[in-house]
Amino acid sequence: NAGVTQTPKFQVLKTGQSMTLQCAQDMNHNSMYWYRQDPGMGLRLIYYSASEGTTDKGEVPNGYNVSRLNKREFSLRLESAAPSQTSVYFCASPGRNEQFFGPGTRLTVL
Amino acid sequence: LAKTTQPISMDSYEGQEVNITCSHNNIATNDYITWYQQFPSQGPRFIIQGYKTKVTNEVASLFIPADRKSSTLSLPRVSLSDTAVYYCLVGDSPRDSSYKLIFGSGTRLLVRP
Repeated sequence: NAGVTQTPKFQVLKTGQSMTLQCAQDMNHNSMYWYRQDPGMGLRLIYYSASEGTTDKGEVPNGYNVSRLNKREFSLRLESAAPSQTSVYFCASPGRNEQFFGPGTRLTVL
Repeated sequence: LAKTTQPISMDSYEGQEVNITCSHNNIATNDYITWYQQFPSQGPRFIIQGYKTKVTNEVASLFIPADRKSSTLSLPRVSLSDTAVYYCLVGDSPRDSSYKLIFGSGTRLLVRP
């Protein structure tokens, strides 16, 4: 039982490049979330998916797209990366009383 | 979602009890109060959750007064490994379909030898 897993752990992009961050959970949870965390700041919600087949915008959705591929997987795509998207990205999935977070993806956009 | 206010940082020494207070004046009737801990380069980790009065688990206690406009996380006898950022969050239950967490900047706790 791995909980929430994310790939890759690290990524460096050039401005304008695209990439997809992958997240998977093996806890059979309905909801999944993507957050970003800038240095010294709290987490900010980008997008979430309350159930398979649905997605909704969070606080900071601009520049991102998401896909809830199935119940297990929720991906985050940057179509044209910008330096302002340099951050650590966390995927999460809530259980009965708490959110379970993945280990994060550290993304640098040059 | 109710906004929370907590101290930016706190210092303590090993073996002391640490109390971190969070203000949430606009808490709604259905809102729970949840605390998370985050170490550098890791995702946040759930510590404790409560609705009213006092909740205790093996890690911490959470005190919530009757008006629920604030809460206090109590960490007994802290150790160096408790150095982390602590987030206070207020929102509905994970069991609700609209559930989502809004994080503030948290409290940076530094435990000194």
